[in-house]
Amino acid sequence: DQQVKQNSPSLSVQEGRISILNCDYTNSMFDYFLWYKKYPAEGPTFLISISSIKDKNEDGRFTVFLNKSAKHLSLHIVPSQPGDSAVYFCAASADMTGANNLFFGTGTRLTVIP
Amino acid sequence: GAVVSQHPSWVICKSGTSVKIECRSLDFQATTMFWYRQFPKQSLMLMATSNEGSKATYEQGVEKDKFLINHASLTLSTLTVTSAHPEDSSFYICSARNFRDRAYNEQFFGPGTRLTVL
Repeated sequence: DQQVKQNSPSLSVQEGRISILNCDYTNSMFDYFLWYKKYPAEGPTFLISISSIKDKNEDGRFTVFLNKSAKHLSLHIVPSQPGDSAVYFCAASADMTGANNLFFGTGTRLTVIP
Repeated sequence: GAVVSQHPSWVICKSGTSVKIECRSLDFQATTMFWYRQFPKQSLMLMATSNEGSKATYEQGVEKDKFLINHASLTLSTLTVTSAHPEDSSFYICSARNFRDRAYNEQFFGPGTRLTVL
């Protein structure tokens, strides 16, 4: 049973525009959410996180929005750059102390077109 | 950021043989290491959680006698796939976390190991 879902397997965006990656979850016990970025033949690297007590967290060009009532979160990248092209994984945890027992989505492949 | 390495990066073996994958935290002490498996077009699935000096905790559906995990030191965990079969072919990724350091509240991932069983 997939508790974290990323329904868009791929997304293409022009350089300089905004990229919006979406993620939905089903488990209401999840209270900590993370986004990871993955290049081919490499492990995922942490990008940004948000706890359930917030609805927005911003770090440079990356902003994560959390809508608890809809069990939905999104990652906004603006402006998008070609180096952002990668697979993005959304992950969730039911442990407020951090990333223990992460549940991952299937990933969205972002392609930023120069 | 913290660095986690895995060895080997890829391995091909015959059905029935055993394969050992190493996961090392290079610049920090990993009190906990996690082992994931990713099949094509699927998400990363947690297989087991291993704490230094104690037995690993396996997720439901993961055979502990088939996937042997050893976390003998704070910088090394190993996953041994015993009597491998073609259906075990997958991308295995480890991650590490130092629970003693409050600053590290994320898991740091290794580059992964591609296992192909013929």
